[in-house]
Amino acid sequence: DAGVTQSPTHLIKTRGQQVTLRCSPKSGHDTVSWYQQALGQGPQFIFQYYEEEERQRGNFPDRFSGHQFPNYSSELNVNALLLGDSALYLCASRSGPYSYEQYFGPGTRLTVT
Amino acid sequence: SQQGEEDPQALSIQEGENATMNCSYKTSINNLQWYRQNSGRGLVHLILIRSNEREKHSGRLRVTLDTSKKSSSLLITASRAADTASYFCATGSNYQLIWGAGTKLIIKP
Repeated sequence: DAGVTQSPTHLIKTRGQQVTLRCSPKSGHDTVSWYQQALGQGPQFIFQYYEEEERQRGNFPDRFSGHQFPNYSSELNVNALLLGDSALYLCASRSGPYSYEQYFGPGTRLTVT
Repeated sequence: SQQGEEDPQALSIQEGENATMNCSYKTSINNLQWYRQNSGRGLVHLILIRSNEREKHSGRLRVTLDTSKKSSSLLITASRAADTASYFCATGSNYQLIWGAGTKLIIKP
């Protein structure tokens, strides 16, 4: 049973560029959340997708956007990258939006130079 | 904003000893969860304790919850080298979890 997978593992971008991160949820899961984790900090909630719609959003600017596909996989897009966007981006999936337990992927380490 | 705050920020103990870390939070909760993170990678769910529970066990893990003090503790007994990781508490709604900054636990051989 495949767990949550994310791609790519590492990414280096330049300020002002755009990036797309991808996530495939655990088998049987239909709800995906994205988190940003700066070095030495806990994760910060970005947004959650269920039934291909953004259901809730954290305190992140519109430069952060996402999408969920019919197969429940998801993308996180970040436009106009800033140095402060450098972080580990974590995807988590769960079985339904009301399930408390989340399963996390290994993350994508984004470095903005 | 952070809901939980873990204490201590870092903890170093000898293998075989017990490790205790604490979490304080600010608002009323339905439940509190503990997660482990190895080397800045993905988080692993350890245990969930509901607001009407005071103590919960899972293997070598023991979690307590005191809603009157808005605090929780995680005890790892008979620590092993593989327990070296960062430990986070998280609270929140169905939609999102709000996390503390974590406790970095180092188990010395």
